[in-house]
Amino acid sequence: QVQLQESGPGLVKPSQTLSLTCTVSGGSISSGSYYWSWIRQPAGKGLEWLGRIYTSGSTNYNPSLKSRVTMSVDTSKNQFSLKLNSVTAADTAVYYCARAADITPDYWGQGTLVTVSS
Amino acid sequence: DIQMTQSPSSVSASVGDRVTITCRASQGINSWLTWYQQKPGKAPKLLIYAASSLQSGVPSRFSGSGSGTDFTLTISSLQPEDFATYYCQQANSFPPTFGQGTKVEIK
Repeated sequence: QVQLQESGPGLVKPSQTLSLTCTVSGGSISSGSYYWSWIRQPAGKGLEWLGRIYTSGSTNYNPSLKSRVTMSVDTSKNQFSLKLNSVTAADTAVYYCARAADITPDYWGQGTLVTVSS
Repeated sequence: DIQMTQSPSSVSASVGDRVTITCRASQGINSWLTWYQQKPGKAPKLLIYAASSLQSGVPSRFSGSGSGTDFTLTISSLQPEDFATYYCQQANSFPPTFGQGTKVEIK
């Protein structure tokens, strides 16, 4: 069964870049026709879809993030990554990585809390 | 973006009760509606996709219905492990958007 695990700094300073990596285990990130997604959830609030990447490198991003977000994939390491630049306190949230056959994520990581603070 | 509105925001119920949660989309989404269950400190768990298809391993007391703009999630007989927050998500168009959640609490 596929498992996903987020990793990265838990504290990021305002205006800097948030960088997270998701490691996929239990299967190759390149097998099957899956998209690899990022979703976030501020404390006590709802879920926001950030974007997805296919193993070809093709991406779809949430327009609400404008040009701040970049996703990449490293098939040799079975990982995919999220970069969000110019962060503010509003970007403080639990960040989840997930697998999706299309738009609907089915397998999720456990989530990692990222706090934006000086 | 398509707005998803859930009702109620919270519901108090007892073990064995039938619970129904409603999700309304701001425009038609055919049957591209997903339901998730989330427990505190945990990632969301996929329950139902395509409005009414039960994800593998999910108990049959969970069911979903609807199409177009109005959808429902029903728990036929609430169990202790079902106390959680439930989210709907539209998968019809980008960006996918979620409802604000419905918390199912113990009465």
